[in-house]
Amino acid sequence: EAGVAQSPRYKIIEKRQSVAFWCNPISGHATLYWYQQILGQGPKLLIQFQNNGVVDDSQLPKDRFSAERLKGVDSTLKIQPAKLEDSAVYLCASSSNGDNTEAFFGQGTRLTVV
Amino acid sequence: AQSVAQPEDQVNVAEGNPLTVKCTYSVSGNPYLFWYVQYPNRGLQFLLKYITGDNLVKGSYGFEAEFNKSQTSFHLKKPSALVSDSALYFCAVRDPNTGGFKTIFGAGTRLFVKA
Repeated sequence: EAGVAQSPRYKIIEKRQSVAFWCNPISGHATLYWYQQILGQGPKLLIQFQNNGVVDDSQLPKDRFSAERLKGVDSTLKIQPAKLEDSAVYLCASSSNGDNTEAFFGQGTRLTVV
Repeated sequence: AQSVAQPEDQVNVAEGNPLTVKCTYSVSGNPYLFWYVQYPNRGLQFLLKYITGDNLVKGSYGFEAEFNKSQTSFHLKKPSALVSDSALYFCAVRDPNTGGFKTIFGAGTRLFVKA
């Protein structure tokens, strides 16, 4: 079974530029998550999709971050414009239906904003 | 609101000795609890979970965890540590009484196993 795929692995941009991350979840997984992991901290949930609908985006900075999951499969997370404090690893995860299922994580995208 | 705490930033243990990584949580009802491990430059990997039933759950790589409702704890344990267990460990909690299966992660505990 293929795992969660993310690209790119690394990205360096200047502040005020825009950037996009892509995620392909495990086939058949209805739930998709985007987490932000700042160095030395635990992952923080940015947005959670159930199929192509948003379940939780309470911690997504909506003035600069956006995410979509068209057709309930792949997802993109965009930052525009980026700030220095956005430097982090962005993790995508997916899980099958059911509230007692664990999440499977991709390797993440390491973003550096200079 | 649900929350999870990992009181130790770092745990050091000698190879062959038992290890414990602590986790406490706060939810309004009965929690779903998870442990994940993160190796350098890798995503998080699932180790084990408690949903219901036996308070002692067993997971991957010889790890186990004990759910203690009265102490609101879910400590990760292993009887005999290996150098290869050195990694970053995250406890996570999900409150099934809230919609959407939102999962909150602790700040992580770095485990060092010395040969």
